[in-house]
Amino acid sequence: DTGVSQDPRHKITKRGQNVTFRCDPISEHNRLYWYRQTLGQGPEFLTYFQNEAQLEKSRLLSDRFSAERPKGSFSTLEIQRTEQGDSAMYLCASSPPGERESSTGELFFGEGSRLTVL
Amino acid sequence: DQQVKQNSPSLSVQEGRISILNCDYTNSMFDYFLWYKKYPAEGPTFLISISSIKDKNEDGRFTVFLNKSAKHLSLHIVPSQPGDSAVYFCAASGLGGGATNKLIFGTGTLLAVQP
Repeated sequence: DTGVSQDPRHKITKRGQNVTFRCDPISEHNRLYWYRQTLGQGPEFLTYFQNEAQLEKSRLLSDRFSAERPKGSFSTLEIQRTEQGDSAMYLCASSPPGERESSTGELFFGEGSRLTVL
Repeated sequence: DQQVKQNSPSLSVQEGRISILNCDYTNSMFDYFLWYKKYPAEGPTFLISISSIKDKNEDGRFTVFLNKSAKHLSLHIVPSQPGDSAVYFCAASGLGGGATNKLIFGTGTLLAVQP
């Protein structure tokens, strides 16, 4: 399978614990995105990497959230001191390099990591 | 503020008929519009997109229409099939500058195609 891979698919944790999600993008894609989706809402942008550089962060990404992409390949999203409001589906997406004019604008999404904070 | 809006939370159509899903946006700086389909417990999958320099794009049973003056786009599915039943998200990009391709999503429309 050469699509975007996310791990774990499901995580149940107690309030106050730390959790980490991993994303492996499509191999030739240099752009990587994290989104969060809650029930009844569309995916909300969290952060964006181009290669290893984190170029944009949403205001949704509080100080308890940190994302890394150390070698420009896989990425991790860590949530410290989880709260019940962090319960959501965390989606990773990637896209290839290239000029916008030659692309469809498509992001390729993984299956998501569902977080439940008790 | 919701820059991409899907005002119909749900839509039910009969198999074989046309499904029309609507989307409105507020920011004229968007230059790409996309439709994604999502099944429960899966990630969104890309359906079709349109550049702001076009007013129509067609791919098989799926056609997207863009009306820039009204800041409105629609997705037409003809003929609708039961397998099309899913949540459909409208998304837009172009505000990030450079080429981030960051997408801003609407809240989705649940399409149910009745056999």
